[in-house]
Amino acid sequence: EVQLVESGGGLVQPGESLRLSCAASGFSVNRNYMSWVRQAPGKGLEWVSVIYSGSNTYYADSVKGRFTISRHNSKNTLFLEMNSLRAEDTAVYYCARIPDYYGYFDYWGQGTLVTVSS
Amino acid sequence: DIQMTQSPSTLSASVGDRVTITCRASQSISSWLAWYQQKPGKAPKLLIYKASSLESGVPSRFSGSGSGTEFTLTISSLQPDDFATYYCQQYNSYSWTFGRGTKVEIK
Repeated sequence: EVQLVESGGGLVQPGESLRLSCAASGFSVNRNYMSWVRQAPGKGLEWVSVIYSGSNTYYADSVKGRFTISRHNSKNTLFLEMNSLRAEDTAVYYCARIPDYYGYFDYWGQGTLVTVSS
Repeated sequence: DIQMTQSPSTLSASVGDRVTITCRASQSISSWLAWYQQKPGKAPKLLIYKASSLESGVPSRFSGSGSGTEFTLTISSLQPDDFATYYCQQYNSYSWTFGRGTKVEIK
């Protein structure tokens, strides 16, 4: 059974850093495209970042240069390193799997809340 | 970046109604479109991928159609479990964007 479990969210001050983790089971993160999607409170969904099976990475303009996506193959875990956090980064962060090149998200984690506030 | 315009933003309907939600892309995306259902406090759930393919386990009352720039999600007979928010999503050139969502409410 495919499962994704995020962790690492919390309350941080503007300018601080946070690292999110997404533990996967039932499949290998290094053989799939993996992504982060966020949702600000009461708002819609926003794609954040993707890492391809070949390790290429891409980012939304809103986080480029501040966020870094990576994975640890032996731990079967996806990460999102978030630096220089801003109030507008406050959101529930979901990790999600992209099963093929059509770019849809077939499995999602339960999400982890990041709150950036002084 | 490709923009996705989803309409309506809110829809009031009754159990048994046929419901249609539209998503329009700012440029052609071929069939690179998916639809999701989200309930409060929960992660989105994939309903339709590649514009018209039904995800395994999703009831057949859900269907998707369209290509290029115009897409629709249809619920043939609305059930109590279907009251939720629905999002379209496109993929193109290493960028993903979602529509702003359609909340389906009880009339």
